[in-house]
Amino acid sequence: DTAVSQTPKYLVTQMGNDKSIKCEQNLGHDTMYWYKQDSKKFLKIMFSYNNKELIINETVPNRFSPKSPDKAHLNLHINSLELGDSAVYFCASRPQQRAGGTEAFFGQGTRLTVV
Amino acid sequence: QKEVEQDPGPLSVPEGAIVSLNCTYSNSAFQYFMWYRQYSRKGPELLMYTYSSGNKEDGRFTAQVDKSSKYISLFIRDSQPSDSATYLCAMSVPAGQNFVFGPGTRLSVLP
Repeated sequence: DTAVSQTPKYLVTQMGNDKSIKCEQNLGHDTMYWYKQDSKKFLKIMFSYNNKELIINETVPNRFSPKSPDKAHLNLHINSLELGDSAVYFCASRPQQRAGGTEAFFGQGTRLTVV
Repeated sequence: QKEVEQDPGPLSVPEGAIVSLNCTYSNSAFQYFMWYRQYSRKGPELLMYTYSSGNKEDGRFTAQVDKSSKYISLFIRDSQPSDSATYLCAMSVPAGQNFVFGPGTRLSVLP
């Protein structure tokens, strides 16, 4: 059973289109994330949700809008796609922190190519 | 200065070599230190996890944290071609919601 699953795995689309990426985790975790990984492999956080509540919203264009319908799902909708949005987007989840840090589990990534 | 710095490589070593991967950081509040391994076209997976300073060993892998120097290392002994991947360090403050990742070092172990 896949712990954190994202769909689609690959997405090729034209500039100006609107697209969504879906993420689901079956680990019972409270916190979910979206990360963007550029061509140089740098992983940068975009959003973090804890129990459906937005916790972190980094400097991301407002064309990107996350939505968490429930604790197990965190979707990412992107409006008016631009060439610079081409990257790999990773969803991750993590248990609610108690004493301190805990492992984050990552999905397999969605490779977005904007043409 | 970036919060977490890491030599991006690529680093190529022969099979059986000892590999040393390193990260430096600027935020002295970081207490949790992680190494993730990422194979091509896959998501990162946790390799090692340490809290505060000290060493941790797991099989061929040893993680070291030197908080006084703000420097962490991952050593791989008897490296194998299957170790070829990108290695990302990550750090977190206590009760922090976010990990801060280094840019990753691409490692190739040649048979």
